[in-house]
Amino acid sequence: GDSVTQMEGPVTLSEEAFLTINCTYTATGYPSLFWYVQYPGEGLQLLLKATKADDKGSNKGFEATYRKETTSFHLEKGSVQVSDSAVYFCALSERQAGTALIFGKGTTLSVSS
Amino acid sequence: DVKVTQSSRYLVKRTGEKVFLECVQDMDHENMFWYRQDPGLGLRLIYFSYDVKMKEKGDIPEGYSVSREKKERFSLILESASTNQTSMYLCASRKIDRPGDEQYFGPGTRLTVT
Repeated sequence: GDSVTQMEGPVTLSEEAFLTINCTYTATGYPSLFWYVQYPGEGLQLLLKATKADDKGSNKGFEATYRKETTSFHLEKGSVQVSDSAVYFCALSERQAGTALIFGKGTTLSVSS
Repeated sequence: DVKVTQSSRYLVKRTGEKVFLECVQDMDHENMFWYRQDPGLGLRLIYFSYDVKMKEKGDIPEGYSVSREKKERFSLILESASTNQTSMYLCASRKIDRPGDEQYFGPGTRLTVT
């Protein structure tokens, strides 16, 4: 079945460091791909998404490119801030009605000043 | 903006109690979902519903049931709560008529069963 694998955390960075969180997927079709973020004590919120190969999703300085050839959707940010400390989830969705998103296990990011 | 609300942020129940977790969305979404979130395990799908009175089991339905009598409301029921059901419960909804439709999440209910 479909699955999402993301790098184990926690990831600990200093402010202004470069961030990469790896995400790879297995899917039978042509899924849409998502990154969600969960700040402490809150639910998940969409950070960015891409619906087809070579699409780049971007938001709040974060970017991820849908790479079909490597089945990857790595999250990057050039300069992290303390306020980026959160749990990040990679997810995929097959293009059919009545299906739930499939999530990776999440990567905890901790940014110190 | 889509809003998904959950009836409680924190809940403490005793073993054996029947527990109801309520979720309401205000954007006329067809699909609704219940997940539980545990450290190291990520989000695991318990049940989902793609229409009123319709439901499908997710990955971990044992010990849970659901009810969807109205489109905007999706309830998760723990028939007899047990300590291994202590967890964060997240509700989500989704429109699902276009590729890339995202899921919108509620703030979560942290349930403790003692």
